[in-house]
Amino acid sequence: SQKIEQNSEALNIQEGKTATLTCNYTNYSPAYLQWYRQDPGRGPVFLLLIRENEKEKRKERLKVTFDTTLKQSLFHITASQPADSATYLCALSSSGTYKYIFGTGTRLKVLA
Amino acid sequence: ETGVTQSPTHLIKTRGQQVTLRCSSQSGHNTVSWYQQALGQGPQFIFQYYREEENGRGNFPPRFSGLQFPNYSSELNVNALELDDSALYLCASSLYRGGLAEGYEQYFGPGTRLTVT
Repeated sequence: SQKIEQNSEALNIQEGKTATLTCNYTNYSPAYLQWYRQDPGRGPVFLLLIRENEKEKRKERLKVTFDTTLKQSLFHITASQPADSATYLCALSSSGTYKYIFGTGTRLKVLA
Repeated sequence: ETGVTQSPTHLIKTRGQQVTLRCSSQSGHNTVSWYQQALGQGPQFIFQYYREEENGRGNFPPRFSGLQFPNYSSELNVNALELDDSALYLCASSLYRGGLAEGYEQYFGPGTRLTVT
């Protein structure tokens, strides 16, 4: 069955460092991959979308890579700040379908 | 903050009862998806509505049903509530421009926290 894995353990990093979060998937060939941020008790907020034919996407301090050979996406936050502390979710979708499958998310804590 | 609103914010129901959750889409969006998010888990896709028609469904039983209205607002109905239905219910609106799926951006509402006792 389709499976998306994100590191379930919380990631603690020091302010100013680069945070790198991982999203691995199996038994799936996604055409699109999205990253979301979710704060406690709130709905996810869209951050970035990357397509299967794109290797990398950037937006301000955020960078996403998408390796369809490794079946992996990496999400980077450079110059991290305490305000970046949240849970980050990856979501995948195949071409021709509107259904997104979400990972369980990774909780990031940026320490001042 | 997105322009997506949901009501109510919190709800407590008894097993066997029925519930209706409501969602108002962001202005200009024509598609609504509903998700169930259990504590500590990622959102699970329930179904999607486009132009008032169900456009896709996840692995949820028929007692989960929905509607989309001409103004693109939406309802999620759950019949015969079970304890495991306790979760955060999220709706997400998006704009589908036609043709193949484009990997559209989804804008989520704040969710409705449903507790079934």
